[in-house]
Amino acid sequence: GAGVSQSPSNKVTEKGKDVELRCDPISGHTALYWYRQSLGQGLEFLIYFQGNSAPDKSGLPSDRFSAERTGGSVSTLTIQRTQQEDSAVYLCASSSDTGGGNTIYFGEGSWLTVV
Amino acid sequence: AQSVAQPEDQVNVAEGNPLTVKCTYSVSGNPYLFWYVQYPNRGLQFLLKYITGDNLVKGSYGFEAEFNKSQTSFHLKKPSALVSDSALYFCAVRDDTGFQKLVFGTGTRLLVSP
Repeated sequence: GAGVSQSPSNKVTEKGKDVELRCDPISGHTALYWYRQSLGQGLEFLIYFQGNSAPDKSGLPSDRFSAERTGGSVSTLTIQRTQQEDSAVYLCASSSDTGGGNTIYFGEGSWLTVV
Repeated sequence: AQSVAQPEDQVNVAEGNPLTVKCTYSVSGNPYLFWYVQYPNRGLQFLLKYITGDNLVKGSYGFEAEFNKSQTSFHLKKPSALVSDSALYFCAVRDDTGFQKLVFGTGTRLLVSP
């Protein structure tokens, strides 16, 4: 597609439920990133996928968080047993490859509220 | 490790006046520097980047940024601010060693008054 597409755009869930957030990167982009932006906070790196390489999961805050990328394209971020502190905007981004100067393009985000 | 500092939480400027949003960085290798803008309830939009070459980089919406290696800075500037420039601005850096994630600053809110 023309840009990074994320769904749902908004999600309200009850504490303890599982949620899945989806990201469709820009066509042809091999690198995909997930970031989290909490209210009034900066951007927190979560996970990075590059082609067929093992993902870098160093930013995942707990084992309740997981992500996968199927077929080198669409990615799903799953949060199990959601907690109120998980409320945030989850931003997906993609870039054409791992060159340091390549621009990372962001989607509009999935706004998650845990009640 | 890479890091970015945006020392001002908020910058206020009158429309028509020049604006500067400050950013300093720390990296191990050579830096790649980026500015993004976030409008309310939106994702991040790319403004401009520095890779190599000229220290003055021009980007979208009339913004520019100056790379200063000795001061490890990459300040965002615009000669004449517009009310519509009011938004949250993020500086980001990654270096040319190892993993290619972007590290972001905490953001600076720009308020342009009419």
